[in-house]
Amino acid sequence: AQKVTQAQTEISVVEKEDVTLDCVYETRDTTYYLFWYKQPPSGELVFLIRRNSFDEQNEISGRYSWNFQKSTSSFNFTITASQVVDSAVYFCALTSNNAGNMLTFGGGTRLMVKP
Amino acid sequence: DGGITQSPKYLFRKEGQNVTLSCEQNLNHDAMYWYRQDPGQGLRLIYYSQIVNDFQKGDIAEGYSVSREKKESFPLTVTSAQKNPTAFYLCASRTLGKKGPGEKLFFGSGTQLSVL
Repeated sequence: AQKVTQAQTEISVVEKEDVTLDCVYETRDTTYYLFWYKQPPSGELVFLIRRNSFDEQNEISGRYSWNFQKSTSSFNFTITASQVVDSAVYFCALTSNNAGNMLTFGGGTRLMVKP
Repeated sequence: DGGITQSPKYLFRKEGQNVTLSCEQNLNHDAMYWYRQDPGQGLRLIYYSQIVNDFQKGDIAEGYSVSREKKESFPLTVTSAQKNPTAFYLCASRTLGKKGPGEKLFFGSGTQLSVL
């Protein structure tokens, strides 16, 4: 069975602070895919990034960066110089070739950025 | 603009009543999904469909039913058998392309269902 754990249920920071959202996953498959989605107050989940198990290269996109470490089964997400617009619920998710097209979501981390 | 449309945004169910949530997509995606989101929890899969006239149960299918008569449409019925239906329901779709399970999901804006 696959599992995604986001231990931080809620994080509150002040604008311009850096913040890291943790994601730890479990799977027995060697080929798998990890995702991060953002859910703003409007409710619709927005795709942020996808990473497959064979690509451990870290990625940076503007103020966002992701650190994928297979050795610790983690796929952490860092927002640099946070802004109020970053306030949302962030979900980490996992699927694999053997998962039957089913995506397993973590419980989500609610990020509140205060001005 | 292409996307996924869910309606209504808010829905109220009376005791013993069946209600249907609409989901339409114009992205020409093959696969469609229904997820349930409870406060402070992750998304749980109710049903999914990869092709017209075919669908599979997810983790929490009991008390729900779906149909896929058209590629664009995947309505979800919450039946009276679902004893705790209050939740936020999200519809999603994706292409069954080269990346296989790595293809990203596109989501609708959700329907909040409450019990009167």
